[in-house]
Amino acid sequence: DGGITQSPKYLFRKEGQNVTLSCEQNLNHDAMYWYRQDPGQGLRLIYYSQIVNDFQKGDIAEGYSVSREKKESFPLTVTSAQKNPTAFYLCASSRGDRTDTQYFGPGTRLTVL
Amino acid sequence: KQEVTQIPAALSVPEGENLVLNCSFTDSAIYNLQWFRQDPGKGLTSLLLIQSSQREQTSGRLNASLDKSSGRSTLYIAASQPGDSATYLCAVRPVRGGATNKLIFGTGTLLAVQP
Repeated sequence: DGGITQSPKYLFRKEGQNVTLSCEQNLNHDAMYWYRQDPGQGLRLIYYSQIVNDFQKGDIAEGYSVSREKKESFPLTVTSAQKNPTAFYLCASSRGDRTDTQYFGPGTRLTVL
Repeated sequence: KQEVTQIPAALSVPEGENLVLNCSFTDSAIYNLQWFRQDPGKGLTSLLLIQSSQREQTSGRLNASLDKSSGRSTLYIAASQPGDSATYLCAVRPVRGGATNKLIFGTGTLLAVQP
């Protein structure tokens, strides 16, 4: 069953804590992405990776970090430096060329307590 | 800077109506435009992808058009059903402004189809 999985579905964080969101894909895609979705603001790109061991900042990378040690995995860490982390986080993947579509995971809702 | 706008922000129609959702973008230099559907609390599902050289794409009751020169796209839904109720997002892949795989999203249109 091919696709993208994200875990956990819901995550609660205390102020000052770092948390890591998981994203795994078995589509053999080279490129992976992390987006943040806030009400009324659409999706904004946090980080993306076009190949293993390489990643670039998106539009709102401050307070976030990523790694891409394996083709299938692209975890996102929300650090304590991110001042307003409560949001819905979506991971996506694609083949990596300019004509293809991005496939999205089911999302993780992060809430700061 | 590429910006994507979707109008209306919300739409309510009775079942069976044909409807049109609008998407506009400020920079016509795009590789493609994509329409997505998002159900509450869920991820995005790709509906239609239109390459910059194409004028429209069709899938079942859905038809999407692209007019690059005017910076507009429409998503036409025929014979709407309550199951079509969701948020519809459009996104463009710009030629300028960074990675070629980057998508710029609109804020979406929340559609409610009343039975």
